[in-house]
Amino acid sequence: EPEVTQTPSHQVTQMGQEVILRCVPISNHLYFYWYRQILGQKVEFLVSFYNNEISEKSEIFDDQFSVERPDGSNFTLKIRSTKLEDSAMYFCASSLERNTGELFFGEGSRLTVL
Amino acid sequence: SQQGEEDPQALSIQEGENATMNCSYKTSINNLQWYRQNSGRGLVHLILIRSNEREKHSGRLRVTLDTSKKSSSLLITASRAADTASYFCATDGETSGSRLTFGEGTQLTVNP
Repeated sequence: EPEVTQTPSHQVTQMGQEVILRCVPISNHLYFYWYRQILGQKVEFLVSFYNNEISEKSEIFDDQFSVERPDGSNFTLKIRSTKLEDSAMYFCASSLERNTGELFFGEGSRLTVL
Repeated sequence: SQQGEEDPQALSIQEGENATMNCSYKTSINNLQWYRQNSGRGLVHLILIRSNEREKHSGRLRVTLDTSKKSSSLLITASRAADTASYFCATDGETSGSRLTFGEGTQLTVNP
């Protein structure tokens, strides 16, 4: 069964460092997303991506964040200068359609900022 | 209250019993979905109900939607220990574009 894969599963970084989280969405999906979940809190939308551009972003997704689809398979989330409050589980998701179906989530990348 | 609030926050039942979780939301929606999350894992889609549907079944899952009350319920029948997880509702609003708004979740524990 096709799945969304994410790497790394866990990354520990120092405050101020750049972090890149990687995702391989399901191959025939067209819409890609990043969500995050701070420990013990609910899942929050960060950004959606379609046709090689951001289609929507939340207020969390400030200038420190960027997304890219550098090739036909990878979808990355970059945090330029990490802060303590960026510590969270980051989930990548993909979907075939925009508003009519389920999202397929990866297992997440746990980011710990020290 | 926030968009997509579940209650109860935590539910503990015995294997074989039914578990009912509720979700309330504030704005108009296109769809409402339920997801499951095992501890430390990703979210797994369970079921989607459209705004023009009132009830949907999938195996041991039954979802209802009442758009007049802006609420939904997820019923898991004949629960198993393996059903132990957090359950989240997520709404796809008419004005929310491509984003899903998740609730706080219900932590379900099924005791063997």
